[in-house]
Amino acid sequence: DAKTTQPNSMESNEEEPVHLPCNHSTISGTDYIHWYRQLPSQGPEYVIHGLTSNVNNRMASLAIAEDRKSSTLILHRATLRDAAVYYCILRADSNYQLIWGAGTKLIIKP
Amino acid sequence: DVKVTQSSRYLVKRTGEKVFLECVQDMDHENMFWYRQDPGLGLRLIYFSYDVKMKEKGDIPEGYSVSREKKERFSLILESASTNQTSMYLCASSPRGEPPYEQYFGPGTRLTVT
Repeated sequence: DAKTTQPNSMESNEEEPVHLPCNHSTISGTDYIHWYRQLPSQGPEYVIHGLTSNVNNRMASLAIAEDRKSSTLILHRATLRDAAVYYCILRADSNYQLIWGAGTKLIIKP
Repeated sequence: DVKVTQSSRYLVKRTGEKVFLECVQDMDHENMFWYRQDPGLGLRLIYFSYDVKMKEKGDIPEGYSVSREKKERFSLILESASTNQTSMYLCASSPRGEPPYEQYFGPGTRLTVT
């Protein structure tokens, strides 16, 4: 299974944009890129996903490199409620399973 | 609002006890999952089910079994609890069909085996 690499932690100031990187150099052509986040004392929640093109939704944007070997989750204006562990996950097209890494702990400073 | 509920937030059991963790979803999802989450190891899949009475082993099924008699309910069973099964257990569900097969998670059950 293809793996992802993320920084262990990142810090950002409140109300500033945050760019969370993810490397997935062994991604295959049919792997979707998913992002989930886990707030303290809660189960993970879906943030966004993409295959080849950049994606936007109400929570975040996902920028995917042209060679698909890396991606970046963008929070446009971080708030204290965005402090969480963010997971970048690959999922094969034909597979329901998600392969979880250790994620990036995002710290938001007021 | 979609919902996945787990029977307990916190549970303390003794070594050798049989433990049942229950998960219920109200979204009519076909797929249901059980994970455990340990510090530094992320989420690891124990079992998943893609239909009633169907189950597939995940990455770490040893010491666990599952039951899915109704579509909305997926149970995780520890036949004889051991201290190395102390962990956070997370249940999730997702619809079948088109991607992204977004998984919806419950709040988790923190199990301590003494």
